[in-house]
Amino acid sequence: DAGVTQSPTHLIKTRGQQVTLRCSPKSGHDTVSWYQQALGQGPQFIFQYYEEEERQRGNFPDRFSGHQFPNYSSELNVNALLLGDSALYLCASSLVSTYEQYFGPGTRLTVT
Amino acid sequence: GQQLNQSPQSMFIQEGEDVSMNCTSSSIFNTWLWYKQDPGEGPVLLIALYKAGELTSNGRLTAQFGITRKDSFLNISASIPSDVGIYFCAGMYSGGGADGLTFGKGTHLIIQP
Repeated sequence: DAGVTQSPTHLIKTRGQQVTLRCSPKSGHDTVSWYQQALGQGPQFIFQYYEEEERQRGNFPDRFSGHQFPNYSSELNVNALLLGDSALYLCASSLVSTYEQYFGPGTRLTVT
Repeated sequence: GQQLNQSPQSMFIQEGEDVSMNCTSSSIFNTWLWYKQDPGEGPVLLIALYKAGELTSNGRLTAQFGITRKDSFLNISASIPSDVGIYFCAGMYSGGGADGLTFGKGTHLIIQP
């Protein structure tokens, strides 16, 4: 049973560029949530997707956007990258009817 | 963004000792989750709590959902070297269905030789 997978593992971008991160949920899960984890901090909720729509959003600007595909996989897009966007980006999957969220290994984004 | 107050920030213990950590919030939650994160990895779910006063065990780990719904506790008995890592509490208040989690800043567990 495959767990949550994310790609790429690491990414280096320049300020002002755009980035797309990808996530495949755990088999059988229908909901994907994205989190940002700065060094030394706990994860911060960005948004959640269910049935290909954004279901809930945390306190992040519109530069952060996402998408969910019919196979439940998801993308996180960040436009106009800032140095402060450097972080570990985590994807978590779950069933919309339950509360347990399972995390992938994350994508380490460095903005220079 | 909002974060939970998690304490202690770090713990230096001897192998075989018991460990206790807690998490408090100014808001009530109807779900508490505890995760462990190793360097370079994503958080791994340890225990989920759904009801105020609930006490749940997973091997040497025991967690409790505080009766005020604003706190939770995690205990680890007879610590072993592989327990080293960062432990996060996470809370959710949901009106129906899974929502985003609010995390603490973590408790860093270090086992002294």
